[in-house]
Amino acid sequence: NAGVTQTPKFQVLKTGQSMTLQCAQDMNHEYMSWYRQDPGMGLRLIHYSVGAGITDQGEVPNGYNVSRSTTEDFPLRLLSAAPSQTSVYFCASSPGLNVLDTQYFGPGTRLTVL
Amino acid sequence: LAKTTQPISMDSYEGQEVNITCSHNNIATNDYITWYQQFPSQGPRFIIQGYKTKVTNEVASLFIPADRKSSTLSLPRVSLSDTAVYYCLVGDIGNAGNMLTFGGGTRLMVKP
Repeated sequence: NAGVTQTPKFQVLKTGQSMTLQCAQDMNHEYMSWYRQDPGMGLRLIHYSVGAGITDQGEVPNGYNVSRSTTEDFPLRLLSAAPSQTSVYFCASSPGLNVLDTQYFGPGTRLTVL
Repeated sequence: LAKTTQPISMDSYEGQEVNITCSHNNIATNDYITWYQQFPSQGPRFIIQGYKTKVTNEVASLFIPADRKSSTLSLPRVSLSDTAVYYCLVGDIGNAGNMLTFGGGTRLMVKP
């Protein structure tokens, strides 16, 4: 049981490049979400999903796309990277559909946009 | 989610008990109190959740007074490995929406 896995661990992009951050969980959780954490700050919700085929926007969705074709995977796409997207990105999953149910977080992807 | 206020940072020494208090004056009747722990370079980890009085698990205790306007996370006999940021969240577990707002948290530094 690997829990929530994220790849890559580190990534450097140039402004305007696109890429996909991968997130997978093997706990059969319906709820998955993406957060970003800027230095010294708390987490902010980007997008979330309550099940395969269902996604919705969080607090800071601009510049990001998501899809949920399977229960296990929830990739985050950066369409055209900007320096303001330099951050640490965390994926999380939960057995419940309420955000205050226990959230299981991945190890994070540290992204730098030059 | 209800607004919470926590100290920005705390220092402690190994073996001591640490109490981190969270203020949530506007807590609603159906709100629960949840604490997460985040180690450097890792994602947050759920610690404990409660509604009233006292909740204890293998990691911590959560004390909630009768008026529920504050709560205290208690870490018994801390070690260096308890150095982390601790976040307090308050919300209705039956209707929290989908915004998990962590805020700045309390940065605990445990010294030898």
